[in-house]
Amino acid sequence: EAEVAQSPRYKITEKSQAVAFWCDPISGHATLYWYRQILGQGPELLVQFQDESVVDDSQLPKDRFSAERLKGVDSTLKIQPAELGDSAMYLCASSLASGWEGEQFFGPGTRLTVL
Amino acid sequence: SQQGEEDPQALSIQEGENATMNCSYKTSINNLQWYRQNSGRGLVHLILIRSNEREKHSGRLRVTLDTSKKSSSLLITASRAADTASYFCATYPLNDKIIFGKGTRLHILP
Repeated sequence: EAEVAQSPRYKITEKSQAVAFWCDPISGHATLYWYRQILGQGPELLVQFQDESVVDDSQLPKDRFSAERLKGVDSTLKIQPAELGDSAMYLCASSLASGWEGEQFFGPGTRLTVL
Repeated sequence: SQQGEEDPQALSIQEGENATMNCSYKTSINNLQWYRQNSGRGLVHLILIRSNEREKHSGRLRVTLDTSKKSSSLLITASRAADTASYFCATYPLNDKIIFGKGTRLHILP
């Protein structure tokens, strides 16, 4: 069964360092999402891609976060510099359909701890 | 902003009992989805109900949607230990992006 892959699974870093997360969606899924989930909360959408184009990044803190999906397949989310408040689970999801029709398939997530 | 709010925040029931959790939202939606998350892992899609639908079933799951009250419920019948997880409702407001609630933590007691 096809799955969304994410790496690393765990990342510990010191504040002011740069971190990067990678996501490989299910083959053929044009829509890719990055979420941040703080412990005890629901996921919050950071950025949504349709192929290589950004559809929504209204909640992405653009002063320190960046996301790209250069060839419309895998994607990278970067934080530079990391802050203590960035400690969270970062989830990637993909869907076959775009917008509100799409059932999303989630990866296992990357748990980030900023010291 | 929190569009969907689940209720209760936490629920403990005996194995074999039914579990009901509710979701309320604020603005008109295209659809509402329910997801499950096992501890520390990714989310799994359970069911999608469109704004023009009132009830959907999938195995032991039953979802209802009342757009006049802006609320949905998820019923899990004959609960099992494997149902222990957090359950999230996610709404797609009209002309807006998906928004997840804070979730209901369900614990099935042996």
